[in-house]
Amino acid sequence: DIQMTQSPSSLSASVGDRVTITCRASQGISNYLAWYQQKPGKVPKLLIYAASTLQSGVPSRFSGSGSGTDFTLTISSLQPEDVATYYCQKYNSAPPFTFGPGTKVDIK
Amino acid sequence: EVQLVESGGGLVKPGGSLRLSCAASGFTFSSYSMNWVRQAPGKGLEWVSSISSSSSYIYYADSVKGRFTISRDNAKNSLYLQMNSLRAEDTAVYYCARDFDTGYWGQGTLVTVSS
Repeated sequence: DIQMTQSPSSLSASVGDRVTITCRASQGISNYLAWYQQKPGKVPKLLIYAASTLQSGVPSRFSGSGSGTDFTLTISSLQPEDVATYYCQKYNSAPPFTFGPGTKVDIK
Repeated sequence: EVQLVESGGGLVKPGGSLRLSCAASGFTFSSYSMNWVRQAPGKGLEWVSSISSSSSYIYYADSVKGRFTISRDNAKNSLYLQMNSLRAEDTAVYYCARDFDTGYWGQGTLVTVSS
C-alpha cells in the first residue's frame, strides 16, 4: 500500500507569514491528491483537489502544487482563522485512499 | 443543496454490532461512489471503506476488512456501514462522504465501543 507522510507535524507562524506544508507519497499517485482543513470539532473542509485545483469558495491565499510523489500546500499569508490541522489524502488511484497524519498550524 | 446525514451511532459493547446509515439528498445518488471515513478521538482521519455507484466495486481498509460491510440502496438514496465484532479501537466519529474531489461530507456520527 502507498503511504502518505506530512511534514512538519506542527508549526507555529506569525500572521502574514508564508506557510508551506509538504506531503509525500511512497509511490507515484499522479495528481490524485487532496488537501483538507479541519478545525476542532468540525467536519474536514476540502481546500484543494487534483493537487492544485482550488475548491470553490476557498480563499486564494491557499494553493497546492506537485505531482507524482511530492506535494505542497502553501498559505501565502497566514490568517488567524487558518489555525487548524491540515491533511493530505490520495484518492481515485487504487485504494486504500490514505490520509496523511496531519499538520497542526497555529499562530505564534 | 447536497446533504449527507449520518445516523445509527451510539454506545456498544466490545464484540457487538452496529449499523450506520447515511441519507443523501440534493444530487443523483446512484451516479456517485460513496465513502466512509472515521476519526478516533484526538486522532487523524482514517479512510474506512468505499463503494462504487452500482456497488460493483467495494473496498475496505485492512483494519476493518472481514468485520465491516459497506452497502447502498440507490432507490432509497442511502449508504450503510454494517459493523460487526466491534473493538475499542473502532471508537470514532464516522463520516460519510461523496467522491473525495467534491468535498461533500456529512456531519458525522459517534460510535463508542466500551464495556
